[in-house]
Amino acid sequence: EAGVAQSPRYKIIEKRQSVAFWCNPISGHATLYWYQQILGQGPKLLIQFQNNGVVDDSQLPKDRFSAERLKGVDSTLKIQPAKLEDSAVYLCASSLIRTLPTDTQYFGPGTRLTVL
Amino acid sequence: SQKIEQNSEALNIQEGKTATLTCNYTNYSPAYLQWYRQDPGRGPVFLLLIRENEKEKRKERLKVTFDTTLKQSLFHITASQPADSATYLCALAHGSGNTGKLIFGQGTTLQVKP
Repeated sequence: EAGVAQSPRYKIIEKRQSVAFWCNPISGHATLYWYQQILGQGPKLLIQFQNNGVVDDSQLPKDRFSAERLKGVDSTLKIQPAKLEDSAVYLCASSLIRTLPTDTQYFGPGTRLTVL
Repeated sequence: SQKIEQNSEALNIQEGKTATLTCNYTNYSPAYLQWYRQDPGRGPVFLLLIRENEKEKRKERLKVTFDTTLKQSLFHITASQPADSATYLCALAHGSGNTGKLIFGQGTTLQVKP
């Protein structure tokens, strides 16, 4: 079974530029999550989708971050404009259904973003 | 305020010994707790889940305990091997049903020396 795919793996941009990350979840997984992991910290949930609907975006900085999940499969996360403090690893995860906590989340390898 | 704390300092142990990692939390009442392993440059991988009414859970060389009175979970790796070297994250399932989400601790890095 293929895992969660993310691209790019690394991205370096200057502050005030825009950037987009892409995620392809495990086939058949209804729930998709985007996390931000700053160096030395645990992942922090940014947004959670159930199929193509948003169920939790309470920690998403909506003035600069946006995300969409078209057709309930792939998802993109965008930052516009980027700030220095956005430097982090952005992790995508998926799960089969959304009945926490018994549902296992499967994580992708992440995209490491450096903002200069 | 709500907090999840794991040992911030790396844990160094000798191969064959038992590693014990701690996860403490305050101002949460999680019904469930999960442990993940994260290797450098990779995403976390799920290891174990324990419910609030379970005192202990085992899987091969792994053992997790959950004390809701102490607000603490302990994660043990017996007969540790250098391949067990990684960062281990605890995560609380916060909230109920469809509004619940995982809140992660900052992780503890384990180094097992041969």
